[in-house]
Amino acid sequence: EAGVAQSPRYKIIEKRQSVAFWCNPISGHATLYWYQQILGQGPKLLIQFQNNGVVDDSQLPKDRFSAERLKGVDSTLKIQPAKLEDSAVYLCASSPQFQLAVHGAGELFFGEGSRLTVL
Amino acid sequence: AQSVTQLGSHVSVSEGALVLLRCNYSSSVPPYLFWYVQYPNQGLQLLLKYTSAATLVKGINGFEAEFKKSETSFHLTKPSAHMSDAAEYFCAVSGYNDMRFGAGTRLTVKP
Repeated sequence: EAGVAQSPRYKIIEKRQSVAFWCNPISGHATLYWYQQILGQGPKLLIQFQNNGVVDDSQLPKDRFSAERLKGVDSTLKIQPAKLEDSAVYLCASSPQFQLAVHGAGELFFGEGSRLTVL
Repeated sequence: AQSVTQLGSHVSVSEGALVLLRCNYSSSVPPYLFWYVQYPNQGLQLLLKYTSAATLVKGINGFEAEFKKSETSFHLTKPSAHMSDAAEYFCAVSGYNDMRFGAGTRLTVKP
């Protein structure tokens, strides 16, 4: 079974430029997550999709970040304009279950991440 | 809100020594708890998970964790460290439909 695919793996941009990251979850997984992992910290949830609908985007900086999952499969996370503090690894994860705690402690399956450096 | 706290951002052990990584949780309902491992330049990989079926949970690569409700803890252990265990370890708690992670503990294994 193919895992979660992310691209690009590495991206270097200057502040105020824009960048987009792509994620393709495991086939059949309804729920997709974008996490931001700043160096030395644990992953922080940015946005969660259930199929093509947004479940939780309360921690997404909406003035500069946007994300979509138009057909309920792959997803794109965009940052425009980027700031220095956006330098981080952006992790995509998927899960077959929406209700993690109800359906027997569902786990998340992570991609390898996209490392962003903003200069 | 549910959360986890990992005690110690960096743990260093000698090869063959006991590994102990500490995690305490806060939850108003019975939690689902996880340990993930992250190797350099890779995503997170599940080591083990607690689902209330048994308090002692065995995972991959010889790791295990014990759920202690009285101490609100879910510490990760391995009897004998191997060089290949060097990585970042994250404790996580699952809520209704999200997962929250601790800050992580970097494990260094000395030869």
